[in-house]
Parts: sequence; C-alpha cells; structure tokens
Amino acid sequence: QLQLQESGPGLVKPSETLSLTCTVSGGSISSSSYYWGWIRQPPGKGLEWIGSIYYSGSTYYNPSLKSRVTISVDTSKNQFSLKLSSVTAADTAVYYCCPNYYDSSENWFDPWGQGTLVTVSS
Amino acid sequence: DIQMTQSPSSLSASVGDRVTITCRASQSISSYLNWYQQKPGKAPKLLIYAASSLQSGVPSRFSGSGSGTDFTLTISSLQPEDFATYYCQQSYSGYTFGQGTKLEIK
Repeated sequence: QLQLQESGPGLVKPSETLSLTCTVSGGSISSSSYYWGWIRQPPGKGLEWIGSIYYSGSTYYNPSLKSRVTISVDTSKNQFSLKLSSVTAADTAVYYCCPNYYDSSENWFDPWGQGTLVTVSS
Repeated sequence: DIQMTQSPSSLSASVGDRVTITCRASQSISSYLNWYQQKPGKAPKLLIYAASSLQSGVPSRFSGSGSGTDFTLTISSLQPEDFATYYCQQSYSGYTFGQGTKLEIK
C-alpha cells in the first residue's frame, strides 16, 4: 500500500523559494499507472492543485501557478519534489503530496500524505 | 478554467439522515468528477471517482451520480464518523476543487 511523506522547511521568507520533497514507500514511483501530485490548502480554506509529474519527468501544472512552479522526480530515491519561487503570505498553506492515478477514463488522488504546513513570513 | 460550485456550503443533519450534496461544473466534464472527505486536521480521502465508482474500502452508504455538469454525492444513512467536509473535484482538464461542504451534527 502506497504511503507518502512530505518533508521540508516549515518557514520560508517572502520572495524566497519554497522547497518540499515527497518520499514514496510501499510502491515504485516508476509505476506506469501514476503521476505524482502536489496539492495545497491555505489554513481554513479549500484545496488547490499545484501540479503533477510522471516518472519520466513529464509535468503538468496549474496555469495559475505555472510561472513559479517546478516539480521534479528522482526515481533512484523514490522521491519527487516541489519548488515554488517568489513566495508571498498567500502561499502559506498545508502542502500535500499524493499519487495521481491517471488513465483515459478516470484520474484521481489517493492516498494523500499527511501534509506539511509551510508558513511564509519574515 | 473549469469552476466547480458546491451546494450547500454547510449542512446540519442527524445520525441516520439521508444527505445529498450537489456539485456543478462551469462546463461539461463528462464523468470526470471525484469526491473527497476531509476531517479536521487530516488529509482528504477519496470516496468516489469517475462520478459513481466507490473507492475500495469506502462504505456502501456513500454513492455518487451525475454526468455533464451536474453531480451529487449521497450518504444514505449518516453515521457519526461521516461529519466532515466534502469536496468535489473535476479531472477533465487539470484539476479544480469545489469550495467544500461542511456537514455538521444537528
């Protein structure tokens, strides 16, 4: 059973780059059935998809964040990572990583990592 | 961008009640619609995918229906553990979530 764990700094200064890593266990990140995604949730608010990556390195991003987002994958470590540049207080959120099951008729996120709170503040 | 609108935003109900939550897409999304449950302080959990398919391990009191632009999540008989926030999500073009429906105990 897949399990995912986010890691990275919990505090980032404004204008700097937020960097998080997600470690996958219980399965291979090179599975052909899955992309691997990042989703965030500002405190007390709803969910926003950030982007997803395939083990080959193919990515797709939320257009509203695309200019600031880079998602990468390290198959040797069974990890994928998120970088979000030029952060502001509006980027303060719980960041989740999750498998993004993807085929022609259905695609969804499950199971989710426990999430990590990233606060943007000086 | 495809916008997702849920109604109601909040709902009070009692154990044993039948509850329906509605989700409307701003354009047709076929059956590319998922439902998630989120409890306070926890990550969301997938309940329903492809509009009406029950995720493995999810109780059968949860069901989903709809296609095109209008979708519903139904809980046939509310249990104490079902009080949570529910989100719909379209997966037709990228991914966007509804604003959530908070289900509270009456």
